[in-house]
Amino acid sequence: GQNIDQPTEMTATEGAIVQINCTYQTSGFNGLFWYQQHAGEAPTFLSYNVLDGLEEKGRFSSFLSRSKGYSYLLLKELQMKDSASYLCAVSPLGDKLIFGTGTRLQVFP
Amino acid sequence: DAGVTQSPTHLIKTRGQQVTLRCSPKSGHDTVSWYQQALGQGPQFIFQYYEEEERQRGNFPDRFSGHQFPNYSSELNVNALLLGDSALYLCASSLEVLAGAPDTQYFGPGTRLTVL
Repeated sequence: GQNIDQPTEMTATEGAIVQINCTYQTSGFNGLFWYQQHAGEAPTFLSYNVLDGLEEKGRFSSFLSRSKGYSYLLLKELQMKDSASYLCAVSPLGDKLIFGTGTRLQVFP
Repeated sequence: DAGVTQSPTHLIKTRGQQVTLRCSPKSGHDTVSWYQQALGQGPQFIFQYYEEEERQRGNFPDRFSGHQFPNYSSELNVNALLLGDSALYLCASSLEVLAGAPDTQYFGPGTRLTVL
């Protein structure tokens, strides 16, 4: 079967660093994506990992370990506007994406 | 550069009715995927269209069907609506770069369907 697990909710303080974990079990692995989704809006692409290691993009970094079926999204210098849901998605085959339920992050002043 | 657009924004239907949702992909994209997102859940893959054909399909019944037009735009049709079909329907577009490799999908704003 296909299973993507991530924490339901997290809280953090403005200016801090937060790490959102994602574990997956899928029949096949073609890549892992992270999306940000503000309430009532469309998911927006943040990052893509296909090889093991860290991908850095400004305040956001994403890490992948294929042998452990594990990824994390690291958000640095948190801002209030980072309050959103963060979706981990795996492509097991072709372009199809399997999403986790999302992690709702609340950033407090 | 126009992003992914969807219409309508909101829709209210009653059980048993049929609905058609529309999607125009991001400029330059040739592949359209449809997802259903229930409240508090992640999106669930319905199907994907490429070169006017359904290429992949998720675990959805035949009541869900689609079409892709020569200009790459797409429609999602749902027949015999059930209360459980109430959800946000998201369209995502991508550009086929390498066969078999995942391409980054860009999402539209979605259509909020309510079935009464």
